Amino acid sequence: KAGVTQTPRYLIKTRGQQVTLSCSPISGHRSVSWYQQTPGQGLQFLFEYFSETQRNKGNFPGRFSGRQFSNSRSEMNVSTLELGDSALYLCASSLSGLGWTGEQYFGPGTRLTVT
Amino acid sequence: GENVEQHPSTLSVQEGDSAVIKCTYSDSASNYFPWYKQELGKGPQLIIDIRSNVGEKKDQRIAVTLNKTAKHFSLHITETQPEDSAVYFCAAPSEGDDMRFGAGTRLTVKP
Repeated sequence: KAGVTQTPRYLIKTRGQQVTLSCSPISGHRSVSWYQQTPGQGLQFLFEYFSETQRNKGNFPGRFSGRQFSNSRSEMNVSTLELGDSALYLCASSLSGLGWTGEQYFGPGTRLTVT
Repeated sequence: GENVEQHPSTLSVQEGDSAVIKCTYSDSASNYFPWYKQELGKGPQLIIDIRSNVGEKKDQRIAVTLNKTAKHFSLHITETQPEDSAVYFCAAPSEGDDMRFGAGTRLTVKP
């Protein structure tokens, strides 16, 4: 079974621009979560989608948004990029439909650099 | 919300020795505790997890113990090998169902 895939793997953007990242979960998984990983803040939860609905949201500004499609693929968007948005963005998929009792499997991440 | 504290931040052991990493959490309702291993340039990989209805779980050289009363759980790696060198993260769900991660432990296994 193929793992979680994320595209692109690397991205360089300029302050003020917007960016869209894509995540394809493991086949059959309906939950997709997004995380931001930085050396200073560690792994921080952005949001979780299940069956095309945002089920949980972390403490990030409204510039960070996402969506999930009927095939469970998910995208996240960051608008008006800031230097501090430079990070590794990780996507994780899970079968679980009820809270955090199921295993999450992470993709390799998208390394975003904002200049 | 849930705070997950992880110690130590770095750990260096000789090949063949054991390594122990500890995490504490604050939300009594937390019921699922995974551990992840992250190698350079890769996403975190789930290596073992434990649910609140058991106190210990073992998978070959890796084990996790859970003390719900004290709100802490630990990762134990025995007979460490150089390929165990990586950053390890613990995690616990918080109220509101977001997953909180520890700050990570960089484990170095010296040959």
